[in-house]
Amino acid sequence: GAVVSQHPSWVICKSGTSVKIECRSLDFQATTMFWYRQFPKQSLMLMATSNEGSKATYEQGVEKDKFLINHASLTLSTLTVTSAHPEDSSFYICSARVEGSLGYTFGSGTRLTVV
Amino acid sequence: RKEVEQDPGPFNVPEGATVAFNCTYSNSASQSFFWYRQDCRKEPKLLMSVYSSGNEDGRFTAQLNRASQYISLLIRDSKLSDSATYLCVVNMGGGSYIPTFGRGTSLIVHP
Repeated sequence: GAVVSQHPSWVICKSGTSVKIECRSLDFQATTMFWYRQFPKQSLMLMATSNEGSKATYEQGVEKDKFLINHASLTLSTLTVTSAHPEDSSFYICSARVEGSLGYTFGSGTRLTVV
Repeated sequence: RKEVEQDPGPFNVPEGATVAFNCTYSNSASQSFFWYRQDCRKEPKLLMSVYSSGNEDGRFTAQLNRASQYISLLIRDSKLSDSATYLCVVNMGGGSYIPTFGRGTSLIVHP
C-alpha cells in the first residue's frame, strides 16, 4: 500500500533553533500533503495544506513565517519549525491522500521537544 | 459547535464486551467518512471507511446516518488489543479532500 515516510521520529532541540521535518511519499505521488499538530490528549489539528509547486495554505492562527512548508516535488514535503520555543513541543504528523483511493495515509509522526 | 464531535471517553469495558461510539458532524455536505485508530504516540491508521449502506469488517461495524449527521462504530467481542483511541474523520467535500478529525474516543479493554 501507499506509504508516507516521515523523519525524524523524534527530535530534541534548544529554544531558538530551527527543526526540519520531512515527509516522503513512497510508491505514489502526493500532490497534496496535510500537516497536523497534536498536543497530548487533543485531536489532530490541521496546520496547513501544501500543494506541490505552490504556496501552502495555512489554517487560521498558524504563523506561516514560523512554520515554513515546502512542497517542491510530488514526493517530498517539508515542515520547518523556525526559532522553536518550548510551546512548539508537540507531535507533528503529515498525511497524504492517494489518488483514486479512499482515506489518507499518515507519516509516522515526529515528536518535537524544545528545551 | 465543533465540526466533528466525539465523546472523548474513556470507555472502560471488559474483554468480550460490545461497545459503540458515535460521532456527529456539522456540515451536511460532508461526503466521506472514516474511522481511524490511533495508539499512544503513534500515527493514526485507517480502520475502515464508512459507507451509506453501512459496512462490516470482522468484529467492526460502521454506519452512517445522514439525516441525523452522525456515524457510528460498533466493536463486538472486544479484545485487549482493541485498546486505543478511535478517531472519527470527515471529509467536508467540495473537492478539497481536507480531512477533519474528531478529538477521538479512548477505549480501554480490561481482562
